[in-house]
Amino acid sequence: GQNIDQPTEMTATEGAIVQINCTYQTSGFNGLFWYQQHAGEAPTFLSYNVLDGLEEKGRFSSFLSRSKGYSYLLLKELQMKDSASYLCAVMDSNYQLIWGAGTKLIIKP
Amino acid sequence: DAGVIQSPRHEVTEMGQEVTLRCKPISGHDYLFWYRQTMMRGLELLIYFNNNVPIDDSGMPEDRFSAKMPNASFSTLKIQPSEPRDSAVYFCASTLTSGANVLTFGAGSRLTVL
Repeated sequence: GQNIDQPTEMTATEGAIVQINCTYQTSGFNGLFWYQQHAGEAPTFLSYNVLDGLEEKGRFSSFLSRSKGYSYLLLKELQMKDSASYLCAVMDSNYQLIWGAGTKLIIKP
Repeated sequence: DAGVIQSPRHEVTEMGQEVTLRCKPISGHDYLFWYRQTMMRGLELLIYFNNNVPIDDSGMPEDRFSAKMPNASFSTLKIQPSEPRDSAVYFCASTLTSGANVLTFGAGSRLTVL
């Protein structure tokens, strides 16, 4: 079967760095997405990786290793507004998105 | 662009009643998706359309659920009769093409069935 694993919840301190991991087992691979979802709101796109390596976008970076079935989202200089759920999603060989359950990130002052 | 527009934002109904959720995708987007999100099951794909045609409805829970897309700018998700276990947030999302294109989600419709 297809499976995406991410930690259920993480806590970090304002101004610090946090890494949210995602491991996947899917039927084929056509890219990995990270979405951010604030409580009571819709998911919004953060990043997309299809090749191995690190993609940097401001305070957020996303890394992919296809051979290991592994990705992480790195958030730097954490702000209180970064408190949200972070969803990892993999596009399989049929271009279907397989979603992880999400990681709830709690930022403490 | 106003983004993906969903209505109603909140719906409270009693078991057995019919519920209709509505969605207007972003103009020009060829794909429209209906998702359901609960704490227990996360985001689940119910059905998606390409150029107004249903492509995959294997995620629709049962015959009580139906979805239509009569034109490129409007889709409905109907539950009849509704049950308490249908309580969830229902999201509509659209994207320009398949493949590695970003989904844009609507704000969601929070359904509570008593």
